[in-house]
Amino acid sequence: GQQLNQSPQSMFIQEGEDVSMNCTSSSIFNTWLWYKQDPGEGPVLLIALYKAGELTSNGRLTAQFGITRKDSFLNISASIPSDVGIYFCAGQLKGGSNYKLTFGKGTLLTVNP
Amino acid sequence: SQTIHQWPATLVQPVGSPLSLECTVEGTSNPNLYWYRQAAGRGLQLLFYSVGIGQISSEVPQNLSASRPQDRQFILSSKKLLLSDSGFYLCAWSSGQGGYEQYFGPGTRLTVT
Repeated sequence: GQQLNQSPQSMFIQEGEDVSMNCTSSSIFNTWLWYKQDPGEGPVLLIALYKAGELTSNGRLTAQFGITRKDSFLNISASIPSDVGIYFCAGQLKGGSNYKLTFGKGTLLTVNP
Repeated sequence: SQTIHQWPATLVQPVGSPLSLECTVEGTSNPNLYWYRQAAGRGLQLLFYSVGIGQISSEVPQNLSASRPQDRQFILSSKKLLLSDSGFYLCAWSSGQGGYEQYFGPGTRLTVT
């Protein structure tokens, strides 16, 4: 099946630093979504992107839908300890099922206070 | 507002025993419903999805099954558990009126011993 390459796999940063992660694919996506999963809980939707080039913010989080429609980026500014968790990208594949998402394997973020 | 519930939160079952995990959604009608499994390696594996009562699509051949006896109820079952069935099971819903965003429940941690 189609794959999303999410990188980095893990990050260990100091509190206050900015964070950047991305997802890339060889396929075109109609929608990009970013989720955060806290330990032992279900993923929570952070940002949804619907148009190529779209840039959307949610507090300290900013995500962009790549112009080629094959990638997306998530940035976190001024990280704090509660940003710790796994961040997943997900996309709805152009020409694919309207019901299914393709997920990246996640970026594990650790923030050192 | 919409909420999604899963129970039990944790479960320890012996190999060969049956399984029943339940998921219910409140605050929406005719949702699309999903079961995912998340192994220790972090990736989300889609197991089943349903677009309506009695309609189940299976993504991965295995000894699990799913049923949707009511509009907002989704059940994951097994007649005989295997050790490899251990994992974190997540239920999710998306709008039946379109939109690709999926919203996850709190998850069930299953340990097969």
